[in-house]
Amino acid sequence: QQPVQSPQAVILREGEDAVINCSSSKALYSVHWYRQKHGEAPVFLMILLKGGEQKGHEKISASFNEKKQQSSLYLTASQLSYSGTYFCGTVRPSNNAGNMLTFGGGTRLMVKP
Amino acid sequence: EAQVTQNPRYLITVTGKKLTVTCSQNMNHEYMSWYRQDPGLGLRQIYYSMNVEVTDKGDVPEGYKVSRKEKRNFPLILESPSPNQTSLYFCASSSPGQGSRGYTFGSGTRLTVV
Repeated sequence: QQPVQSPQAVILREGEDAVINCSSSKALYSVHWYRQKHGEAPVFLMILLKGGEQKGHEKISASFNEKKQQSSLYLTASQLSYSGTYFCGTVRPSNNAGNMLTFGGGTRLMVKP
Repeated sequence: EAQVTQNPRYLITVTGKKLTVTCSQNMNHEYMSWYRQDPGLGLRQIYYSMNVEVTDKGDVPEGYKVSRKEKRNFPLILESPSPNQTSLYFCASSSPGQGSRGYTFGSGTRLTVV
């Protein structure tokens, strides 16, 4: 079952912050985050393996609440280059080899000057 | 350069004509997967492979076949394509020893079945 992402779309001005949420109805082993620019392949941003773990990539960070089966992606002081569609991908404990990666529907982010 | 190579990039075919989309990776990855991407539905996993000769169904395997005879190659086969298989397809690879690096995706294959 696909995780649910929210919001589906967000428009920001350069320098503004945004949060993208990813929620699963099933227990999770790990959460991946990817960004896909128009016409390109998804690019890996980060993976969160433990409950409560937080990671960072440039000014993009994420948290994983294992208990709530949720992850959030935080984009701080957004730049034009952050525009694209963000996907979370979840791995359930029964598939903790990481190969059964189920993606959410995506959040389209547009950063304007 | 470390990469996942898919061919062809674009393909238009007719209903029922068997086709194969090739996928090759040069990173010695054990894991390989096929996804299809459709508007509003995100990326859905078709098949995955944990190593040579080890494959399993993903969420939407109907109408597709795969094989993993060599570690680097993971072709996707459509025995009798239908219009509902018109989609953007991505191959991806990863390694259990590099869990912090996630999946590397190919450039995609845009398939149209008429």
